[in-house]
Amino acid sequence: SQKIEQNSEALNIQEGKTATLTCNYTNYSPAYLQWYRQDPGRGPVFLLLIRENEKEKRKERLKVTFDTTLKQSLFHITASQPADSATYLCALINQAGTALIFGKGTTLSVSS
Amino acid sequence: DTAVSQTPKYLVTQMGNDKSIKCEQNLGHDTMYWYKQDSKKFLKIMFSYNNKELIINETVPNRFSPKSPDKAHLNLHINSLELGDSAVYFCASSQDAGEGYGYTFGSGTRLTVV
Repeated sequence: SQKIEQNSEALNIQEGKTATLTCNYTNYSPAYLQWYRQDPGRGPVFLLLIRENEKEKRKERLKVTFDTTLKQSLFHITASQPADSATYLCALINQAGTALIFGKGTTLSVSS
Repeated sequence: DTAVSQTPKYLVTQMGNDKSIKCEQNLGHDTMYWYKQDSKKFLKIMFSYNNKELIINETVPNRFSPKSPDKAHLNLHINSLELGDSAVYFCASSQDAGEGYGYTFGSGTRLTVV
C-alpha cells in the first residue's frame, strides 16, 4: 500500500535561516503532490501543488521540489520567520484518484 | 465569506450516544470529504462524496454514516459512540477529487467521548 513519510517530526531553526522539510513516498507514482500548513486548533491550509512533470515550484518564500526517481519532495522556506512556525503536511492523491492521503507532518519552530 | 464551515466546534458526549456533525461549503466544489485526526495528529480519510455519490469508504466502522442532502453539504452521523472515537474531525472540499486541486478544510470538530 502507499506510504508517505515525513522524516522529521520536529524541526527547530533560527529566524532568517532556510527550513527544509522532507517527504518520501513508496509503492506508488503519484501524478502530483501537495503541501499544507496546519496551525494548532485549525484545519490544514493548502500551500502548493507540484505535478510529476515539474521539478520545482515557487511561491513567495516557499519552494517545492519533486524528484520522481527518488520518490521525494523537499519543501523549503527561505528567510524563515517566527510566524512560519506550524506543522507542515505532505499529501498525495491515492491510487484510486479519489482522495488525498497525508503524511504525519513536520512541526517547524522558528525562534527569533 | 466563502468557506467550509462545520458545526459544532466542540462536542462532548457519553459512550453509547448518537451524534451528528454538520458541514457546509459555499465554494461550489464538486467533492466533499471527512477526515479524522487522532491524538498523534495523523490525518486519515474517512469518506468522500462526489455529486451526492459516495466514492470511497476507508474501512470506517459502519457506526459512521455520511449523509449528503445536496452538493454543498456533507454531514457525519455517528451511532453508539465509543471512547476511541474521540478525535478531531475535519470536513474538506475540492473542485475535483483527482485533478490536483487543493482542498479547503473546515476548522474541525473536537469530539470527546466520556
